[in-house]
Amino acid sequence: GAGVSQSPRYKVTKRGQDVALRCDPISGHVSLYWYRQALGQGPEFLTYFNYEAQQDKSGLPNDRFSAERPEGSISTLTIQRTEQRDSAMYRCASSFLPPASSSYNEQFFGPGTRLTVL
Amino acid sequence: TQLLEQSPQFLSIQEGENLTVYCNSSSVFSSLQWYRQEPGEGPVLLVTVVTGGEVKKLKRLTFQFGDARKDSSLHITAAQPGDTGLYLCAAPPATGGGNKLTFGTGTQLKVEL
Repeated sequence: GAGVSQSPRYKVTKRGQDVALRCDPISGHVSLYWYRQALGQGPEFLTYFNYEAQQDKSGLPNDRFSAERPEGSISTLTIQRTEQRDSAMYRCASSFLPPASSSYNEQFFGPGTRLTVL
Repeated sequence: TQLLEQSPQFLSIQEGENLTVYCNSSSVFSSLQWYRQEPGEGPVLLVTVVTGGEVKKLKRLTFQFGDARKDSSLHITAAQPGDTGLYLCAAPPATGGGNKLTFGTGTQLKVEL
């Protein structure tokens, strides 16, 4: 049973370039979440999906950030016209949402993508 | 916006010592989770507490949910170097349901030999 995977693990880009970060959730997991995490701090929510539907994107910092999950499995977080302040660890998590959904599903986190914008 | 404040922010102790980490908020939560994150890894769930006053034990770790469901604590007995990591509390929205988690500010624990 593979866990959540993310690619690339490290991404260095120049300011102004677009980047796409990929998340492959645990097979069968319905919910997929994107977070941004600063060193030594807790993850900060960005957006999440149930199946292919984006349920909440209130955490996306601005319109340069977007995410999609077109087939309800793999998700891509895209940052357009990157800025130095976008440098961070971007983490993806997934959870299994049972039919009688509870409010406290365990989220399984991936290893993250370390983004550095020069 | 609900905030989860953790204290202390940093903790460095010797092997064998006991410690307590606190997670506080002004909001009432339906549930609260504790995660541990090791260097280079993502957070891993330790426990979920649901009922006010609930106490859960996981080996040397004891978790308590406050009676009013606004706060929680994590107590570690006889800490070991393997307990080193970032400890995070997290909670779903206080209202409206959903699976979006708000994480606490984190407690960085270092246990030395």
